[in-house]
Amino acid sequence: GENVEQHPSTLSVQEGDSAVIKCTYSDSASNYFPWYKQELGKRPQLIIDIRSNVGEKKDQRIAVTLNKTAKHFSLHITETQPEDSAVYFCAASRQAQKLVFGQGTRLTINP
Amino acid sequence: DTEVTQTPKHLVMGMTNKKSLKCEQHMGHRAMYWYKQKAKKPPELMFVYSYEKLSINESVPSRFSPECPNSSLLNLHLHALQPEDSALYLCASSQDSFGRDGEQYFGPGTRLTVT
Repeated sequence: GENVEQHPSTLSVQEGDSAVIKCTYSDSASNYFPWYKQELGKRPQLIIDIRSNVGEKKDQRIAVTLNKTAKHFSLHITETQPEDSAVYFCAASRQAQKLVFGQGTRLTINP
Repeated sequence: DTEVTQTPKHLVMGMTNKKSLKCEQHMGHRAMYWYKQKAKKPPELMFVYSYEKLSINESVPSRFSPECPNSSLLNLHLHALQPEDSALYLCASSQDSFGRDGEQYFGPGTRLTVT
């Protein structure tokens, strides 16, 4: 089955700087890669996703890149703000049926 | 309505109790999911219902019994749970489970404590 590894487990950046979180996956048939943000005590919320026919996708300060050959994808957050502090999970799946999540990255934005 | 709702928010139950968790969505989604999330861990898939039929059971113990009475409702019946079953139980829904719209919308979860 699919296995997703996520790094780093914790990340601390200064407000205004960029943050990058990386994930690798094992199943070459996976074709859907979402990123979820989960604030303390809250539900996971989708912030961006990418499908395997696309190499990069941007939404304002957030971007995701996908390298199918290397089986890795990354989340990039620019101009970080305190409200970006949360746990971020990557996930991979075939046809979006079974999301397999990475272990999560706790991102802290220091003012 | 773009929300998934779950009740109750918190539940404390003994190992001999029977209780149920409820999930509801009115987005017309045809796939619904149960996840279990332990502290500082990612959500783990338990069950998937697609068009009101159970399509995935991730080898979940029989003390957890899912039910999908209609396309808007999803229940999780609990019986004879163990303390290690204490966790946040998340419900999610998506347009369908066949990849045409992958986004899964999560409910706020039920915090379950088994004593």
